[in-house]
Amino acid sequence: AQKVTQTQTSISVMEKTTVTMDCVYETRDSSYFLFWYKQTASGEIVFLIRQDSYKKENATEGHYSLNFQKPKSSIGLIITATQIEDSAVYFCAMRENSNYQLIWGSGTKLIIKP
Amino acid sequence: EAAVTQSPRNKVAVTGGKVTLSCNQTNNHNNMYWYRQDTGHGLRLIHYSYGAGSTEKGDIPDGYKASRPSQENFSLILELATPSQTSVYFCASGDRVSNERLFFGHGTKLSVL
Repeated sequence: AQKVTQTQTSISVMEKTTVTMDCVYETRDSSYFLFWYKQTASGEIVFLIRQDSYKKENATEGHYSLNFQKPKSSIGLIITATQIEDSAVYFCAMRENSNYQLIWGSGTKLIIKP
Repeated sequence: EAAVTQSPRNKVAVTGGKVTLSCNQTNNHNNMYWYRQDTGHGLRLIHYSYGAGSTEKGDIPDGYKASRPSQENFSLILELATPSQTSVYFCASGDRVSNERLFFGHGTKLSVL
């Protein structure tokens, strides 16, 4: 069965440092997509970055990058040079190529301290 | 930039009453989704649609109906609202044209008293 797990409920780091958020997934499909979304304090949910399962290179988007470890079914989100406005809840999600539904993790709350 | 608009933003309903949550997208996406979000949970899929006239059950469809009368509009209907349906509801759209990324509305906070 498909499943996405984020074990870190909350992380707190100092501003301008690098943070990594963990996510592991379960799927039987050989082809799938992995996503990270951010939910701000206002409730807005925005797409951050995506990794396709067939791509070996890690995706990057601005100060977001991914650590894709396919043998471990792991897709970590790395935020470099964190800013106060990066404080939010971060969700990991997976979509199998054979299914239009996204499977969501429970989220990790990131707190950036000045 | 793609846009998804939900209405109303806030709603207070009485138990047993009918509630309709509306969603409009100007992205021309085929797929639309209704999620609910509760404290301690991620997003849970209620209903989704592949296009006008289609609706599919998600993971938690009980107590909800959906309607997709056009490409742009997707409604979530609570025929007999219950307090357990108090939640924040999000609509989203997306498809292969958007490279699978979803665009979300700002959410509707529903309180059923």
